[in-house]
Amino acid sequence: GAVVSQHPSRVICKSGTSVKIECRSLDFQATTMFWYRQFPKQSLMLMATSNEGSKATYEQGVEKDKFLINHASLTLSTLTVTSAHPEDSSFYICSARDGRENEKLFFGSGTQLSVL
Amino acid sequence: GENVEQHPSTLSVQEGDSAVIKCTYSDSASNYFPWYKQELGKRPQLIIDIRSNVGEKKDQRIAVTLNKTAKHFSLHITETQPEDSAVYFCAARLAGGGNKLTFGTGTQLKVEL
Repeated sequence: GAVVSQHPSRVICKSGTSVKIECRSLDFQATTMFWYRQFPKQSLMLMATSNEGSKATYEQGVEKDKFLINHASLTLSTLTVTSAHPEDSSFYICSARDGRENEKLFFGSGTQLSVL
Repeated sequence: GENVEQHPSTLSVQEGDSAVIKCTYSDSASNYFPWYKQELGKRPQLIIDIRSNVGEKKDQRIAVTLNKTAKHFSLHITETQPEDSAVYFCAARLAGGGNKLTFGTGTQLKVEL
């Protein structure tokens, strides 16, 4: 299957700082990527849909000014958690659709964010 | 929007036995149903998927069945092995939904020796 790379895998930051997470499609182009959040032992909750060259689409209840998404190229989407607080601590995972494999979605390895 | 329910939340089986996980979805317009396996702290891995025009699909020890009328689909794992132990998520995608997946709540499968 397609390869989606996500960095960093783990980040610890102080409250009030911003953290950027990168998601890259390594062997295919992705016009659309998705960002999910997952709390321990819970399901994946879609936060936003990242669209190359245009604004991201956010799910209800997700603050767009808090979670900035940029999809500047066909292989890279970034999620920036601005002014992070302890309640933002979570596992963030991106995913992308490989058009060569129809509707299959492939996930990045995830980023464990811990805000102190 | 779509709502996906998944049962059971935990499942413990003996090695070699079969495991069945069931999901129901709410929107009859959903047309694609993937299953993902996630080990602790790792990415979800697609293990099998099925489209709404198919009733059953099998890949070695894994099979998925879909009942469109009842709006439910199931994952079947036969001859379970310890390495099958993980959390399994079902998902559903609405037709025209832009590939957005709605996930079930997950099933923690434990295969005991």
